[in-house]
Amino acid sequence: QQQVKQSPQSLIVQKGGISIINCAYENTAFDYFPWYQQFPGKGPALLIAIRPDVSEKKEGRFTISFNKSAKQFSLHIMDSQPGDSATYFCAASSTGTASKLTFGTGTRLQVTL
Amino acid sequence: ETGVTQSPTHLIKTRGQQVTLRCSSQSGHNTVSWYQQALGQGPQFIFQYYREEENGRGNFPPRFSGLQFPNYSSELNVNALELDDSALYLCASSDQGGNTEAFFGQGTRLTVV
Repeated sequence: QQQVKQSPQSLIVQKGGISIINCAYENTAFDYFPWYQQFPGKGPALLIAIRPDVSEKKEGRFTISFNKSAKQFSLHIMDSQPGDSATYFCAASSTGTASKLTFGTGTRLQVTL
Repeated sequence: ETGVTQSPTHLIKTRGQQVTLRCSSQSGHNTVSWYQQALGQGPQFIFQYYREEENGRGNFPPRFSGLQFPNYSSELNVNALELDDSALYLCASSDQGGNTEAFFGQGTRLTVV
């Protein structure tokens, strides 16, 4: 059973544009929601994470929006750059098990010039 | 760079063989989690080790086993390799028994032929 659904599967954005990736979860016990960035041949790198006590978290050009009632969260990349071209994964886990992550299927982002 | 190192980086094995993958956790981290990432998919949680004991397991058969050593490094062993075991195997390091952010190594690419 896929517990974290991620969309879109791929995304093409022009340089300077906003990239938006969405995730939805089913397990109401989830209370930690990180986003990871993965380049080809590399392991996932933690970008930003949020817990349900806030509805938004911003770090630089990256923002997570969280909607607890809808069980949805999203990643916004502002002023997208070609160097942001990578695969992005949302993930979720429960209290006390932050590192036992359930991942989405990934979004391949391409930022064009 | 996360400070999590995995070896080897690439490996080719024959169906039915056994394989051992190794992971050194980030300095100060006492918990190691292993994930399997099939091509084009998100990582899937295999199991976690804390204080040299298994601390949670995903939906993987018993032929996937592991160890954690006193210095917190870890091994993943897979017996009776199957073609579907071909994947990127990721090790993630965290602290506090897995209750902090997970930082991933670069992975071991296993190909079973």
